[in-house]
Amino acid sequence: GAVVSQHPSRVICKSGTSVKIECRSLDFQATTMFWYRQFPKQSLMLMATSNEGSKATYEQGVEKDKFLINHASLTLSTLTVTSAHPEDSSFYICSAHNTGTANSPLHFGNGTRLTVT
Amino acid sequence: AQSVAQPEDQVNVAEGNPLTVKCTYSVSGNPYLFWYVQYPNRGLQFLLKYITGDNLVKGSYGFEAEFNKSQTSFHLKKPSALVSDSALYFCAVRDTGSTLGRLYFGRGTQLTVWP
Repeated sequence: GAVVSQHPSRVICKSGTSVKIECRSLDFQATTMFWYRQFPKQSLMLMATSNEGSKATYEQGVEKDKFLINHASLTLSTLTVTSAHPEDSSFYICSAHNTGTANSPLHFGNGTRLTVT
Repeated sequence: AQSVAQPEDQVNVAEGNPLTVKCTYSVSGNPYLFWYVQYPNRGLQFLLKYITGDNLVKGSYGFEAEFNKSQTSFHLKKPSALVSDSALYFCAVRDTGSTLGRLYFGRGTQLTVWP
């Protein structure tokens, strides 16, 4: 079945540093990928829609300069948390839709637990 | 606008008993509905979907869901719960009006199955 690989699964960084999270679709092409953020015991909050070869579309209230998204190929999107602060600590999840199949479900990565100290 | 409501934060059932996790939706057009399950510190796993056709949809791990257009509901069910079913369950609706694939999620329901 369709697999989305997200890396790293867990990262701890110091305040002020930047962290890059990768999301890869392993066996299908994904023109569009989605980045979500999840707080403890809460639902997923869509941060941005990543579009291959063009700029990402950010949701209202999400700082595009802080959460840089790059979707350079049909199988890879990256989210970079720049100048991270403790309030950025969260669980980040990517998902991808198989471009070649209509009405297919979104496939999710296993998430990245970011802790900023 | 699309939206999903999961009225219960928590559902507790005994192993072997049937379980129901409720979901109601609001869409402007035809609904594309999904159920996902999330285990601790993991991403979401797809369980089942309704696009069109039979109102009773069967999915992974013995789960099924019933689409009810008049009640705008899509409740998740399983005839006999297992302890391993304990997890966080999300109902979602697809936005058919804009970006392909974008989902709107309910707030999630924590299912606990005790032995």
